[in-house]
Amino acid sequence: GQQVMQIPQYQHVQEGEDFTTYCNSSTTLSNIQWYKQRPGGHPVFLIQLVKSGEVKKQKRLTFQFGEAKKNSSLHITATQTTDVGTYFCAENTGNQFYFGTGTSLTVIP
Amino acid sequence: DAGITQSPRHKVTETGTPVTLRCHQTENHRYMYWYRQDPGHGLRLIHYSYGVKDTDKGEVSDGYSVSRSKTEDFLLTLESATSSQTSVYFCAITPASGSYEQYFGPGTRLTVT
Repeated sequence: GQQVMQIPQYQHVQEGEDFTTYCNSSTTLSNIQWYKQRPGGHPVFLIQLVKSGEVKKQKRLTFQFGEAKKNSSLHITATQTTDVGTYFCAENTGNQFYFGTGTSLTVIP
Repeated sequence: DAGITQSPRHKVTETGTPVTLRCHQTENHRYMYWYRQDPGHGLRLIHYSYGVKDTDKGEVSDGYSVSRSKTEDFLLTLESATSSQTSVYFCAITPASGSYEQYFGPGTRLTVT
């Protein structure tokens, strides 16, 4: 199946600093979704990207899909304590979804 | 949250016993999924369903079976639980055919002793 690699595995930032997580694949991705999971919670859908070079923004979050559709990134500007959690990318092939291993974000007040 | 419930929310069972987890949705979604989540592995697909009595295997289906006799219910069965099946299990739906969005239930924490 597809393999989607996500880095870094962990990230600690001071509140107010920026944060970026990356999702990489050795093959061309047809689409990418991003999810956030708070500690003890369930994954929550954030956004999906399907077009080469696509950029979408949600307030302080910026999502990008690479021109070659082999990578994606999620960037958070000026992190807040409410951003704490694990961020996952996922890719859909056929009816199956393949998730990255996630980046766990800790925000230090 | 897309009207998805899971039961039980927590379960402790012994090795070798059968276990069934239930996912219930109230909005007639066609596609339903079962995942397990383990540290360092993210979410891995066990089985999915694309309609009543229509199911297929995911990447980690060994040791698991599923059934969907009604649109609203998707059952995951561990025929003979093993300690390696200790995990958090999530059910999910996609709201429409061809949609890439998934909405997850609250999860079931299963411990096999």
